[in-house]
Amino acid sequence: EVQLVESGGGLVQPGGSLRLSCAASGFTVSHNYMNWVRQAPGKGLEWVSVIYSGVSTYYADSVKGRFTISRHNSKNTLYLQMNSLRPEDTAVYYCARGPGNYDSRARGFDFWGRGILVTVSS
Amino acid sequence: DIQLTQSPSFLSASVGDRVTITCRASQGISSYLAWYQQKPGKAPKLLIFAASTLQSGVPSRFSGSGSGTDFTLTISSLQPEDFATYYCQQLNSNPQTFGQGTKVEIK
Repeated sequence: EVQLVESGGGLVQPGGSLRLSCAASGFTVSHNYMNWVRQAPGKGLEWVSVIYSGVSTYYADSVKGRFTISRHNSKNTLYLQMNSLRPEDTAVYYCARGPGNYDSRARGFDFWGRGILVTVSS
Repeated sequence: DIQLTQSPSFLSASVGDRVTITCRASQGISSYLAWYQQKPGKAPKLLIFAASTLQSGVPSRFSGSGSGTDFTLTISSLQPEDFATYYCQQLNSNPQTFGQGTKVEIK
């Protein structure tokens, strides 16, 4: 059974850092492209970042230069390092599984974690 | 970046109604579009991918159509469990943007 479990969220002051983790089971994270998506309180979904099954990564303009996506293959875990956090980064962060290769990207994000809340406030 | 505009943003409907939600892309995205359902406090759930392909396990009352810039999600007969917020997402290019959402509420 595929499962994604996020951890590492919490309250952080503006300018601070957090690292989110997403532990995967039931599949191998290095075989799929993996994403972070966030949702500010009462707002819609915002795609944040992707890491492809190679090493390519992409970011939303709103987080570029501040956030870094990575994965640890032997731990089967996805990460999001968040630096220089701002109040507008306050959101529930979801990790989501994409398909196995870029050419299959039309298949969308078929599994999501339950999400983890990040609050940036003084 | 590709912008997605959903309409309506809010929809009030009754059980049994046929419901249609549209999603317009600011430039052509072929069929690289997915639809998700989200209920309060829950993660989104994939309903439709590649614009018109039903995800495994999703009821057949859900359907999707369109290509290029104009897409629709249709619920043929609204059920009580369908009251939720629906999002489209383009997967053609990064950033993989979402529409602003359509909230479907009980009339």
